[in-house]
Amino acid sequence: KQEVTQIPAALSVPEGENLVLNCSFTDSAIYNLQWFRQDPGKGLTSLLLIQSSQREQTSGRLNASLDKSSGRSTLYIAASQPGDSATYLCAVRPDQGGSEKLVFGKGTKLTVNP
Amino acid sequence: GAGVSQSPSNKVTEKGKDVELRCDPISGHTALYWYRQSLGQGLEFLIYFQGNSAPDKSGLPSDRFSAERTGGSVSTLTIQRTQQEDSAVYLCASLLRTSNTGELFFGEGSRLTVL
Repeated sequence: KQEVTQIPAALSVPEGENLVLNCSFTDSAIYNLQWFRQDPGKGLTSLLLIQSSQREQTSGRLNASLDKSSGRSTLYIAASQPGDSATYLCAVRPDQGGSEKLVFGKGTKLTVNP
Repeated sequence: GAGVSQSPSNKVTEKGKDVELRCDPISGHTALYWYRQSLGQGLEFLIYFQGNSAPDKSGLPSDRFSAERTGGSVSTLTIQRTQQEDSAVYLCASLLRTSNTGELFFGEGSRLTVL
């Protein structure tokens, strides 16, 4: 059974700091991994999606990496801003032909202090 | 539509009443998911629809929960005889199953409060 773990559960940093959020998964047979952002009381917004054949994806100040064999992904946020404060979730999608249920971690709640 | 639309955004109901939550996925998206997010918890899978295939209902917590997807588009999640533990945010997501990326898009959710 696929399990996704995100560490730390919460993180508080001063504005301008670079930071890394971690996501680990137990079954390396994944189709892709997706990072989301969730603001309080809102739905999930897709940030980055990495296919299983890729090593990383970048969007602006965000960089996500994937090490499929070790079951790990990181989300790197450069020069953090107070507007980055949110909960960040990662989710893995199993290989095609298997279950289509995406499995989510419980998220990392990020607070960027001005 | 431009994004996944869910209604109502908020629903307060009394224990024992039935509720219906609606999801309008992105036009052309063939796959539709329902997830539940309880306070302080992660996302719990409920049900998955893909085209004309039989839905994956393995996440529905009890027989009080059911969902349908009409015409391969709009989906309705129905909770009968609601209980207080059903209080949560119900999130709907869709994706274009045949796309190369398989990117999932979420709606804003329906917040259900059972008194």
